[in-house]
Amino acid sequence: NAGVTQTPKFQVLKTGQSMTLQCAQDMNHEYMSWYRQDPGMGLRLIHYSVGAGITDQGEVPNGYNVSRSTTEDFPLRLLSAAPSQTSVYFCASSLWGTEGETQYFGPGTRLLVL
Amino acid sequence: AQSVTQLDSQVPVFEEAPVELRCNYSSSVSVYLFWYVQYPNQGLQLLLKYLSGSTLVKGINGFEAEFNKSQTSFHLRKPSVHISDTAEYFCAVSDNGNQFYFGTGTSLTVIP
Repeated sequence: NAGVTQTPKFQVLKTGQSMTLQCAQDMNHEYMSWYRQDPGMGLRLIHYSVGAGITDQGEVPNGYNVSRSTTEDFPLRLLSAAPSQTSVYFCASSLWGTEGETQYFGPGTRLLVL
Repeated sequence: AQSVTQLDSQVPVFEEAPVELRCNYSSSVSVYLFWYVQYPNQGLQLLLKYLSGSTLVKGINGFEAEFNKSQTSFHLRKPSVHISDTAEYFCAVSDNGNQFYFGTGTSLTVIP
């Protein structure tokens, strides 16, 4: 199993540009989520999904869109990047339906918005 | 909403000394508690978790944590640290399995 994979590893954007951060998992996990990690703020949940076609907002959803067309993939879209979105982004997945499931994290995408 | 407080942002400790990383949470309902570790330039890995039952939870790499409901705490301990334990440690809480709330992290530095 590859686990949770994220692409790209690094990205530099200009303000106003759009891009999609890719996330895929091969563990047949129903639950997938996106976090951003900022210094001194820990990880904050952006969006999550409990299955194909089902998504919901987390703590900091503004400026981000998600969709879940397959169990495996959960892309995160930035429609118009802003410097405040400079961060490290982590995707995670887990089983769902039994509470307290372990989340498995990808290696992260480091995004710089100029 | 839940919240998690990690009281120490940085903890330096000498090799082979014991360490405790503190975590407190706020919640009016039953919660599930987790400790994750992040090595440099990597994602997070689960160290241990508390779901129910025994309040002392043992995890990987010799770490353990104790759930204290009356003090709403879930402190992480290790009796003897190694250089390889140098990393960032995150406490997290979930009440429904859908949303997880992370603390701001504690940077553990093991000094040779």
